[in-house]
Amino acid sequence: AQKITQTQPGMFVQEKEAVTLDCTYDTSDQSYGLFWYKQPSSGEMIFLIYQGSYDEQNATEGRYSLNFQKARKSANLVISASQLGDSAMYFCAMIFPLQEGGSEKLVFGKGTKLTVNP
Amino acid sequence: EAGVTQFPSHSVIEKGQTVTLRCDPISGHDNLYWYRRVMGKEIKFLLHFVKESKQDESGMPNNRFLAERTGGTYSTLKVQPAELEDSGVYFCASSQEGGGGNTIYFGEGSWLTVV
Repeated sequence: AQKITQTQPGMFVQEKEAVTLDCTYDTSDQSYGLFWYKQPSSGEMIFLIYQGSYDEQNATEGRYSLNFQKARKSANLVISASQLGDSAMYFCAMIFPLQEGGSEKLVFGKGTKLTVNP
Repeated sequence: EAGVTQFPSHSVIEKGQTVTLRCDPISGHDNLYWYRRVMGKEIKFLLHFVKESKQDESGMPNNRFLAERTGGTYSTLKVQPAELEDSGVYFCASSQEGGGGNTIYFGEGSWLTVV
């Protein structure tokens, strides 16, 4: 069964420093995608970054980068130069390819609460 | 371009009452999903529409939950009768035509409290 594990319920980082949020996954599928979402206190789920299992390079989106290590089945999110506005819940999620008669489902981890201190 | 919008943002109802949540996906997105997060637990898949058809409703907890997407546009999720364990955040999401790499966009969620 597919599973996402986020082992850090909470993380603290000083403003302007970098932080790594851990995510490991378990799947026997060869084709899948990995997402990171941010959920601030206002509640919305904000898409941050996506990595496909066949992508050879790590995904980057501005201050966000995904440290994808396929053999270790890890997809850690690195946030560089943390800002106060980065304080939020962060969810790692995995998606599987659409199969005939099937469905694209996101499987989520429990989330990591990041607090950026001034 | 408007994102995924959900209504109501918050709802407090008594056990046994009915609540209907609405989701308007991003215009042109054929895929529409409902997810739920019960307090302290993971976000769980409920169901997936492709246009007006239910592609997968394997995550629906029980027959008290009914989802519809008439005309392939907005969707509603009705809980009738609501129970205490239904409390949580109900997220709607949408994406373009199938393919695992399409970004899935979420709404702000509908926070349901059953008392």
